[in-house]
Amino acid sequence: DAGITQSPRHKVTETGTPVTLRCHQTENHRYMYWYRQDPGHGLRLIHYSYGVKDTDKGEVSDGYSVSRSKTEDFLLTLESATSSQTSVYFCAISDPGGATSYEQYFGPGTRLTVT
Amino acid sequence: AQSVTQLGSHVSVSEGALVLLRCNYSSSVPPYLFWYVQYPNQGLQLLLKYTSAATLVKGINGFEAEFKKSETSFHLTKPSAHMSDAAEYFCAVSFQGGSEKLVFGKGTKLTVNP
Repeated sequence: DAGITQSPRHKVTETGTPVTLRCHQTENHRYMYWYRQDPGHGLRLIHYSYGVKDTDKGEVSDGYSVSRSKTEDFLLTLESATSSQTSVYFCAISDPGGATSYEQYFGPGTRLTVT
Repeated sequence: AQSVTQLGSHVSVSEGALVLLRCNYSSSVPPYLFWYVQYPNQGLQLLLKYTSAATLVKGINGFEAEFKKSETSFHLTKPSAHMSDAAEYFCAVSFQGGSEKLVFGKGTKLTVNP
């Protein structure tokens, strides 16, 4: 299994509070991604990073921000959590240019509940 | 708009029967195509991928998929279902044929009956 960890694995928070989810990889892959998974919607890309300090928006980026100060860490922040952000969040990594180009490897997920 | 459609949000088969999970995409340019599997309370695991080599792709656990450009399809099959195949399956597409970004279908949950 690819070395990807996510923390926390479960979190319950109240509406209006800030929340930060962390993704940590030990594979030295250049690209990192944050997705959310909701029933009936599959996985939707929130933000992604193509290098340290290089990030871009995905299809559902409103209400989320990201930061990547080191190759191995990619943080997802909900500045003011809302109930619509209750979801399971997955981090993924990929490494363009090699034999595994375009393959994304996923972390175990973080289940976030906003009450 | 570029999209990925998985026909059937739930598919049920008997153990030993053929598994067929359907995936269609909308694009005039052949994309790169992937199937992922997700077991309960786990992340996604890559089953197989098509990146413009052989159109019939073999993956792990006995699964295979065939890219059909004329039908814009990439259906996943397995000749004989096993109880351990029960999971949710996602088709994913890299529309820019080299973009690292993937668009996922909504998933098909496979149930295998004894």
